[in-house]
Amino acid sequence: SQQGEEDPQALSIQEGENATMNCSYKTSINNLQWYRQNSGRGLVHLILIRSNEREKHSGRLRVTLDTSKKSSSLLITASRAADTASYFCATDARGGSNYKLTFGKGTLLTVNP
Amino acid sequence: DGGITQSPKYLFRKEGQNVTLSCEQNLNHDAMYWYRQDPGQGLRLIYYSQIVNDFQKGDIAEGYSVSREKKESFPLTVTSAQKNPTAFYLCASSIIPPGAQPQHFGDGTRLSIL
Repeated sequence: SQQGEEDPQALSIQEGENATMNCSYKTSINNLQWYRQNSGRGLVHLILIRSNEREKHSGRLRVTLDTSKKSSSLLITASRAADTASYFCATDARGGSNYKLTFGKGTLLTVNP
Repeated sequence: DGGITQSPKYLFRKEGQNVTLSCEQNLNHDAMYWYRQDPGQGLRLIYYSQIVNDFQKGDIAEGYSVSREKKESFPLTVTSAQKNPTAFYLCASSIIPPGAQPQHFGDGTRLSIL
């Protein structure tokens, strides 16, 4: 089964609002990454957070990691229509291969103008 | 500009036919990966390669084969043994871990059965 599971599966908001997506995983991890995928395109890396970090920021993105709850959240502030995409979390399991990322099923974010 | 190029963008396979998907990168990355994405699903790892002339099976390698003769290239062959090949195939590359590194993706090849 997938290591990461995003919640919600789909999210629709108005431009200017904040969007929050959550990711839960089952086993201990070394790192967690978030990626964005526009329709019909490849994935684009957004941010990587290590297991000893609790929060990271990048522009309008804020990622938190709670290893005790095995969960992470991605917050996009002041959303824009161009943020419309699917967002995936990916984890590499502690004790597993450093090369192997396990992806969740993604959250489809729609930002309405 | 550095990046990953996948070709073709669309590919159609006939029954009993093997088809090869191309993936080329000019990022000087040692590691390369092939993923399969089905509608509404996440990515599943097919094969990955850490160095030239070496590769490992991922979670769903059956019915697929790869080669890594050059650092820049990592082609994927979907064989006739893969009974359900219709999917979106993504190639990625990264620098060598330790620790996970961001993966850089191509824009994918959509494979369908004729």
